[in-house]
Amino acid sequence: KNQVEQSPQSLIILEGKNCTLQCNYTVSPFSNLRWYKQDTGRGPVSLTIMTFSENTKSNGRYTATLDADTKQSSLHITASQLSDSASYICVVSRLSSGGSYIPTFGRGTSLIVHP
Amino acid sequence: DAGVIQSPRHEVTEMGQEVTLRCKPISGHNSLFWYRQTMMRGLELLIYFNNNVPIDDSGMPEDRFSAKMPNASFSTLKIQPSEPRDSAVYFCASSRPGPPLHGYTFGSGTRLTVV
Repeated sequence: KNQVEQSPQSLIILEGKNCTLQCNYTVSPFSNLRWYKQDTGRGPVSLTIMTFSENTKSNGRYTATLDADTKQSSLHITASQLSDSASYICVVSRLSSGGSYIPTFGRGTSLIVHP
Repeated sequence: DAGVIQSPRHEVTEMGQEVTLRCKPISGHNSLFWYRQTMMRGLELLIYFNNNVPIDDSGMPEDRFSAKMPNASFSTLKIQPSEPRDSAVYFCASSRPGPPLHGYTFGSGTRLTVV
């Protein structure tokens, strides 16, 4: 069964601190993995995307890693800011037999950054 | 680029009534997705279209749900009759042709409350 599991479910950190969010998946055949940020009341916005051959991808203070062998990914946030408070969703896409890319979503990690 | 446009932003309706959610994808995007998000289940893919054709509707919860895409610039998700358990935020997303290397662009969602 194609699944994406994220941990922790929620996280509270102080402004300026670093944090790491985890994503484990069983999606097959793997096509790509993306991290999204979803602010309250808004739609998800893409942060990073990685294909099978990529191990690391950065977007400003966000750095995503991918280990395709262990089927794990992490999202590291450096020097957190109050605006980082949001839900972070891991999405793993597979290529269907019909040639379409089908995403499987994790439940997300809710991050709260306190001043 | 106005992004993916959804309407209405909020909908409150009585149980048993018909509800129609609307989506205008980004021009040039040929894939369109309908998602439902709840606290209990996170983001769930309901149905997606490629070039206006429904490809996979296995996520549609039951026959009360139906989706159409009459042309490349418009899609609807209809619930008839609506039930309180349908209360959720419904997102529409679109992506470019080929591998979604740039990710999906989400609309702002429609918050549906069925009372």
